[in-house]
Amino acid sequence: DTAVSQTPKYLVTQMGNDKSIKCEQNLGHDTMYWYKQDSKKFLKIMFSYNNKELIINETVPNRFSPKSPDKAHLNLHINSLELGDSAVYFCASSQGQSYSNQPQHFGDGTRLSIL
Amino acid sequence: SQQGEEDPQALSIQEGENATMNCSYKTSINNLQWYRQNSGRGLVHLILIRSNEREKHSGRLRVTLDTSKKSSSLLITASRAADTASYFCATVPQNFVFGPGTRLSVLP
Repeated sequence: DTAVSQTPKYLVTQMGNDKSIKCEQNLGHDTMYWYKQDSKKFLKIMFSYNNKELIINETVPNRFSPKSPDKAHLNLHINSLELGDSAVYFCASSQGQSYSNQPQHFGDGTRLSIL
Repeated sequence: SQQGEEDPQALSIQEGENATMNCSYKTSINNLQWYRQNSGRGLVHLILIRSNEREKHSGRLRVTLDTSKKSSSLLITASRAADTASYFCATVPQNFVFGPGTRLSVLP
């Protein structure tokens, strides 16, 4: 069974559209994250949730809105997509608090391409 | 803000050789973790070393940590083609940025 699964794997859409990416973890972890990996391979944190509560909210446009219906799910909704949003988005989870001593488990990423 | 930074950015070796990559960081840490990313996949956790440890082994992996120099190294012995990937270090606390990583190519 896949531990951290995110859908879709690929997302191609027009500028200005609204889209959502879903993430689910079956590891029983308390904390979930969203990262953005740019073309230079830097992986930057966007959000972190612990037990459905927002813990980390880095400098991200408010067009990006995370939603955690329960601690096993963390979805990412993006409004009014822009060319600069093209990237690979990774979901991850870990046990305990955000950035504790526990390793993070990553999904395989969603490659978002804005036309 | 970025904490861990890997070096070299790219490394190409022959199968069977050893590969060494380094990580430097800026502030005090609780632990340091190494991750691998295969092309088109997410990061996979390899090994964690705590700030009071100097060396740790896991299979063909050997990690060292020098807190006085704020640096760590990852050694992969007897490399295989399947080790071809990007390798990232991450520090706790406060590693909100991974990368850019070391791109390792192991040639058969």
